[in-house]
Amino acid sequence: NAGVTQTPKFQVLKTGQSMTLQCAQDMNHNSMYWYRQDPGMGLRLIYYSASEGTTDKGEVPNGYNVSRLNKREFSLRLESAAPSQTSVYFCASSEGLSTGDEQYFGPGTRLTVT
Amino acid sequence: GESVGLHLPTLSVQEGDNSIINCAYSNSASDYFIWYKQESGKGPQFIIDIRSNMDKRQGQRVTVLLNKTVKHLSLQIAATQPGDSAVYFCAENRGAGNMLTFGGGTRLMVKP
Repeated sequence: NAGVTQTPKFQVLKTGQSMTLQCAQDMNHNSMYWYRQDPGMGLRLIYYSASEGTTDKGEVPNGYNVSRLNKREFSLRLESAAPSQTSVYFCASSEGLSTGDEQYFGPGTRLTVT
Repeated sequence: GESVGLHLPTLSVQEGDNSIINCAYSNSASDYFIWYKQESGKGPQFIIDIRSNMDKRQGQRVTVLLNKTVKHLSLQIAATQPGDSAVYFCAENRGAGNMLTFGGGTRLMVKP
């Protein structure tokens, strides 16, 4: 089992460019999440998907869109990148949305917007 | 606003000593807490969790203590090893599904 995988590992964008971050999990989990982590800070939830076909906003959704392509895959799209979106992005998955369902994290994508 | 925070940004300990990492939270509605370990270049990894109906939980070399009276959480690592060097985050669940709010992190450095 690979767990949670993310692509790409690193990306540099110019302001205004768009890109999609990919995430996949092979644990047959129902729920998936996208977080961002800024230097010296904890993770903040961008969007989450309780189950295939549903998505909901988290704490910091502005400037992002998501797609739950199928049960395995959850992508994060930046339509018009801004320097404020420079961050490390983590995808996570869990069995469900019940309290105590452990979230498993991917290795992250380091994004720089110039 | 209400948030989870940490007292110390960096903790340096000698190999073999015990480490204590602290976390304060302010939301009395939080009912579930988790400690994560994050090594350089990797995603957070679950260490141990505790529910609000408990005040202590032990794992392998780790213990989490919860003091609801003063809204304080701590992670104790026994016989700290070089492999324990990482950033440690506490996270709280404020009772809404599985949504977690993370603290800012403490870097643990283990000196050989």
